[in-house]
Amino acid sequence: DIQMTQSPSSLSAYIGDRVTITCRASQTTLSYLNWYQQKTGKAPKLLIYATSILRSGVPTRFSGSGSGSGSGTDFTLTISSLQPEDLATYYCQQSYTIPYTFGQGTKVEIK
Amino acid sequence: EVQLVESGGGLVQPGGSLRLSCAASGFTISDHYMDWVRQAPGKGLEWVGRTRDKVNSFITEFAASVEGRFTISRDDSKNSLYLQMNGLKAEDTAVYYCARGGRAGTEEWYFDLWGRGTLVTVSS
Repeated sequence: DIQMTQSPSSLSAYIGDRVTITCRASQTTLSYLNWYQQKTGKAPKLLIYATSILRSGVPTRFSGSGSGSGSGTDFTLTISSLQPEDLATYYCQQSYTIPYTFGQGTKVEIK
Repeated sequence: EVQLVESGGGLVQPGGSLRLSCAASGFTISDHYMDWVRQAPGKGLEWVGRTRDKVNSFITEFAASVEGRFTISRDDSKNSLYLQMNGLKAEDTAVYYCARGGRAGTEEWYFDLWGRGTLVTVSS
């Protein structure tokens, strides 16, 4: 199975800060890497798919990227300017191979 | 409205069985891969299994942790998906989400639609 490791596990930032979450795969997932946002008590919501494609309707302060080396193992979710409504846990997920696997989550809090 | 609505969760004793339902509206489930994802209390997301779309003969695939105990079926006349869970263990306690997965012939390999989830508690 492909192991997905996110860092950090949690972070606290100010409104307006730039926030970066990383996700590392134990082996290549090519570009099959998705990001979800989950607010407390709610189902996850898709934010970004195929590494960097922003889902329609998702604010443009969210962006995704993969490492420049093209290894297909290192990925980043960036919130360019943190907003109060971004309080949530964020998960990466690989959809390259079954079993699909998720990162352990990154809890984002507001200072 | 495009949505998924799960039902059937509840309290069940270890070793027992439960069938979860997922009713879809606004789209046809037979055109999509359909997945189940679970989340234990206070924990992260875990993929449980999926059924492929009509083009791929509705083949089912499961995580190792549930293989042989869980099955997935569909009723296209009701546009619904089911998760039959047998031999339940305490570690199966979780909120179970139904999610719309990909489609054959596309690169849409992500969960773009989720239900609200249904809680399954395995305890004596």
